[in-house]
Amino acid sequence: GQQLNQSPQSMFIQEGEDVSMNCTSSSIFNTWLWYKQDPGEGPVLLIALYKAGELTSNGRLTAQFGITRKDSFLNISASIPSDVGIYFCAGHLGGSNYKLTFGKGTLLTVNP
Amino acid sequence: DADVTQTPRNRITKTGKRIMLECSQTKGHDRMYWYRQDPGLGLRLIYYSFDVKDINKGEISDGYSVSRQAQAKFSLSLESAIPNQTALYFCATSGVYSNQPQHFGDGTRLSIL
Repeated sequence: GQQLNQSPQSMFIQEGEDVSMNCTSSSIFNTWLWYKQDPGEGPVLLIALYKAGELTSNGRLTAQFGITRKDSFLNISASIPSDVGIYFCAGHLGGSNYKLTFGKGTLLTVNP
Repeated sequence: DADVTQTPRNRITKTGKRIMLECSQTKGHDRMYWYRQDPGLGLRLIYYSFDVKDINKGEISDGYSVSRQAQAKFSLSLESAIPNQTALYFCATSGVYSNQPQHFGDGTRLSIL
């Protein structure tokens, strides 16, 4: 079945630094999603991408849907302490397929 | 108020007990899902339902059952809990179009002793 490789597994950065994480797949996806999970809470949708090549921003977050449809990246600029959490990518085939395939997450720690 | 509400938020119980986790949503979504999250394994789908009369098994349905009581309610049951079912459980919902994102509740932390 499809698998998503998400990297890095964890990151330790200083407040104010930029962050980049990515997901790659052996299969094509038609939708890429990025979620953030805070401790004790459920994943919250950050950005949804629907077209190959699409670049979308949400505040300090920017995500891109790779041209090959097999990868996506998420950038966070000027990190702040509340950016701490686990970031998940997820891919969806679309059409009649229900399945959302998740990466295993990137744990981000921001040192003030 | 949360759009997707899970109860209880935490539960500790013993091996062999029957447990029900409940999920209700105010988003008006037709599709509902149950996932479990384990460290290092990410989110894995247990069951999903596309409407009240539709129930489908996910990747890891053994040992679990579900009931879709209404469009807004989807419950997950462990008939006879075992320790390796200790995990964080999430309910999610999505709209009718297959590429619409899923929206998650805040989870139930379940510990089975």
